[in-house]
Amino acid sequence: AQKITQTQPGMFVQEKEAVTLDCTYDTSDPSYGLFWYKQPSSGEMIFLIYQGSYDQQNATEGRYSLNFQKARKSANLVISASQLGDSAMYFCAMREGASNDYKLSFGAGTTVTVRA
Amino acid sequence: DSGVTQTPKHLITATGQRVTLRCSPRSGDLSVYWYQQSLDQGLQFLIQYYNGEERAKGNILERFSAQQFPDLHSELNLSSLELGDSALYFCASSSQGSPLHFGNGTRLTVT
Repeated sequence: AQKITQTQPGMFVQEKEAVTLDCTYDTSDPSYGLFWYKQPSSGEMIFLIYQGSYDQQNATEGRYSLNFQKARKSANLVISASQLGDSAMYFCAMREGASNDYKLSFGAGTTVTVRA
Repeated sequence: DSGVTQTPKHLITATGQRVTLRCSPRSGDLSVYWYQQSLDQGLQFLIQYYNGEERAKGNILERFSAQQFPDLHSELNLSSLELGDSALYFCASSSQGSPLHFGNGTRLTVT
């Protein structure tokens, strides 16, 4: 079974608007971490935001916030005030277990295109 | 700049050949990870080294091997290459409590 599911292959968003990228996960481990990475067309992987399974509050990092709904096993990324530079592929990933190691399972990714 | 350095950036080789991908982790990071990104398999964890020792293994083929040297740089060796090994290979590094930082990747094309 897929550990991370991203159901939106591609999305268009107008500049300055917000966009929500869906991510659902599957694990039976009570301790896990969820990550979002951005991959521009140049190819590098850029860390955006992290949410731990025991974190009480949703994570935020600047214009990025993570809508963590534990019971639904979802960890959606919200990008506010979209900019042209946000056009990229976005990956949701999960680390299972309490260790600090990064054996991550990645979703298939969502391509975001920001329109002027 | 993540601080993780990968060389070469691009590699074109023929089937049956062997190549070596090199990675220098961020200063102070003891863990090095290798990931493969291909069109059909997506992003997959291959292997992790911690301070010179293999720590975890993922979907790494037997034709592939890796090592981490005393200066903490790492090499991923790919042998008997097949067309399906064409992919972007990422190295990443981390230390306790820090996020995983990726290098810019090595794009391998097998012809």
